[in-house]
Amino acid sequence: QVQLVQSGPEVKKPGASVKVSCKTSGYSFNTYGINWVRQAPGQGLEWLGWISTYNGHTVYPQNVQGRVTMTTNTSTSTAYMELRSLRSDDTAVYYCARGGDILTVRAPDYWGLGTLVTVSS
Amino acid sequence: SSELTQDPAVSVALGQTVRITCQGDSLRSYYASWYQQRPGLAPVLVISGPDNRPSGIPDRFSGSTSGSTASLAITGAQAEDEADYYCISRDSSGTHLVFGGGTKLTVL
Repeated sequence: QVQLVQSGPEVKKPGASVKVSCKTSGYSFNTYGINWVRQAPGQGLEWLGWISTYNGHTVYPQNVQGRVTMTTNTSTSTAYMELRSLRSDDTAVYYCARGGDILTVRAPDYWGLGTLVTVSS
Repeated sequence: SSELTQDPAVSVALGQTVRITCQGDSLRSYYASWYQQRPGLAPVLVISGPDNRPSGIPDRFSGSTSGSTASLAITGAQAEDEADYYCISRDSSGTHLVFGGGTKLTVL
């Protein structure tokens, strides 16, 4: 069955960086893209971007462009999301979610369980 | 602010039908998908645009679109359907995804 297993919770200070991993299994990794989504406490879902696992092409929304980098390791079927210059309002649960084909951003179908990132001094 | 607008809260009597809506200009060009999220859990895809139910999703869930409004209907709502529901589609540029603000469904 399709599974996306994310890394554990993180606590970071303002200005630091965090890198969340998402190890996939149960399907052919390089035939679906990976979306990243976050949810601040008590708030709604926010799309953070998408990466093609085929060619590494990324699409980021303007509000995180320049602070976020998404990468993949096809040998381990793992996706990564790094967010830099952390602020307190980056405190959220970060989800990876399978979606799209090799070239096209599409809404996710299968989701990881989420990784809580807390930014606090 | 989101390019997709949802009512913050909707309620339905047990066994009745409820429609949750999502409005946005981009929906004239792109289909919406819908997620159910129970407290403390990851979202679950319930409808993939325009009206495709993933395996395991009950057939009381259905989707539709008219003009700039996408709708998720639950026919015969059950207690376990009480959750937050989010729509997702492309933004006006067509290159990015955007979520609606979410609708909290209460089953009375």
